[in-house]
Amino acid sequence: AQSVTQLGSHVSVSEGALVLLRCNYSSSVPPYLFWYVQYPNQGLQLLLKYTSAATLVKGINGFEAEFKKSETSFHLTKPSAHMSDAAEYFCAVSVNTGGFKTIFGAGTRLFVKA
Amino acid sequence: GAVVSQHPSRVICKSGTSVKIECRSLDFQATTMFWYRQFPKQSLMLMATSNEGSKATYEQGVEKDKFLINHASLTLSTLTVTSAHPEDSSFYICSARHNRQGFNEQYFGPGTRLTVT
Repeated sequence: AQSVTQLGSHVSVSEGALVLLRCNYSSSVPPYLFWYVQYPNQGLQLLLKYTSAATLVKGINGFEAEFKKSETSFHLTKPSAHMSDAAEYFCAVSVNTGGFKTIFGAGTRLFVKA
Repeated sequence: GAVVSQHPSRVICKSGTSVKIECRSLDFQATTMFWYRQFPKQSLMLMATSNEGSKATYEQGVEKDKFLINHASLTLSTLTVTSAHPEDSSFYICSARHNRQGFNEQYFGPGTRLTVT
C-alpha cells in the first residue's frame, strides 16, 4: 500500500526566503506524485504533478518539486516566499492498483512572516 | 477547463436528518469520482470511490449505510449523509477523475461545510 509522510506540520519562513516543504512517499509500484495547496475553507488547487516524465517538475506560482526515487522524496520548493503563499500544502501519491486511488499526506501549514 | 462544483457550499442541519451533497464535473466526463472528508486542521481522508453506474467502493471504517453515494451519470455524484449526528460535522470534498485513458489527474470541488446541530 502507498503512503505519504510530510515532515513538519508547520513551516515558517520570512518573505523572500526559500520555501522547502518535505514529502516522502512509499509505494510498491511507480507512483504519480502531486502537491496541492488549500486556502481556508476552500478546495484543493493543484500546484504540480510528477507522472514519470522529467524528475524536476515546475508548477504554478513559482513552485517546483524534484522526484528522487533513491530517496523516495518529492520535496516542494520555491526560491522566494511571498505573503500570498501562506496556506496549507498537501503532498499526495496515486498509484494504479486496479483503479487509481490518491492518498494524501497530513499537510504542512506554511506561514510567511513579513 | 476541468471544473468541479459542489452544492451546497455550506449546510446546517439538525441531528437525525439527512443531507445530500452534489458533486458535478462541469466541462468533462468523469468515470470516477472520489469523496473525501476533512476535519479541522487535518488532511483529507478518502471515504469512497464512486464509478459511474456501479456501486461505490468504501474505505475501511466508513459506514456505507450512513454515507450513501450515487454516481448516476458521468457528470454527477451525490453523497447523502443519513441520520446525521454532530460528529458527522466536517468539510466534505469531492473530486473527479478525467475520463481519459492512462491519465490520472483529479480535479477537486470547493468543498461542502456540513454542520450538524
